[in-house]
Amino acid sequence: NAGVIQTPRHKVTGKGQEATLWCEPISGHSAVFWYRQTIVQGLEFLTYFRNQAPIDDSGMPKERFSAQMPNQSHSTLKIQSTQPQDSAVYLCASSFRDMYEQYFGPGTRLTVL
Amino acid sequence: QEKVQQSPESLIVPEGAMSSLNCTFSNSASQSIWWYQQHPGKGPEALISIFSNGNKKEGRLTVYLNRASLHVSLHIRDSQPSDSAVYLCAAMNYNQGKLIFGQGTKLSIKP
Repeated sequence: NAGVIQTPRHKVTGKGQEATLWCEPISGHSAVFWYRQTIVQGLEFLTYFRNQAPIDDSGMPKERFSAQMPNQSHSTLKIQSTQPQDSAVYLCASSFRDMYEQYFGPGTRLTVL
Repeated sequence: QEKVQQSPESLIVPEGAMSSLNCTFSNSASQSIWWYQQHPGKGPEALISIFSNGNKKEGRLTVYLNRASLHVSLHIRDSQPSDSAVYLCAAMNYNQGKLIFGQGTKLSIKP
């Protein structure tokens, strides 16, 4: 079991460019979560999917951020027109069912110059 | 909006001693409280969770939950240098899969 896989591990973008982050959940897990971690704000929930359907996106910034789960083996988080304040570690997690233990990936460190 | 607060911000404990971390949450209906451990450059890893009022013990870890005072604590017996990490407390509400995290406690175990 490779655990939750996130690619790339590091990404550097220029201000205004687009960034796409990838997550491969643990096989057999039905829930996939995205979180963002910064020194100032800590670890914040962004959005989650259950059986590939979007369930709760209450933590997503309304503009520029979008997430998709086109199949059970991967999810993407896309940030358009990146800004320096988007710099953070983006963490993906999956769980067997809602409200079960969430297993986190190693994260993608996004740096916007 | 659920809020989770942790104290202290950082803690230094001698090897072999007990480490005690605290967490308060704002919603008494929170379904479960989770403790995660995070080492630098890694994602958080679940250590222990508690659903019911009272305590739960797993190995060197004991967690106490008091819903009336909205307080939960984590105690690590016989602390080891490998326990040095950031500890995150998180609340999960009924029928909501998301975790609401506190700011973390940085634990350092001195040999």
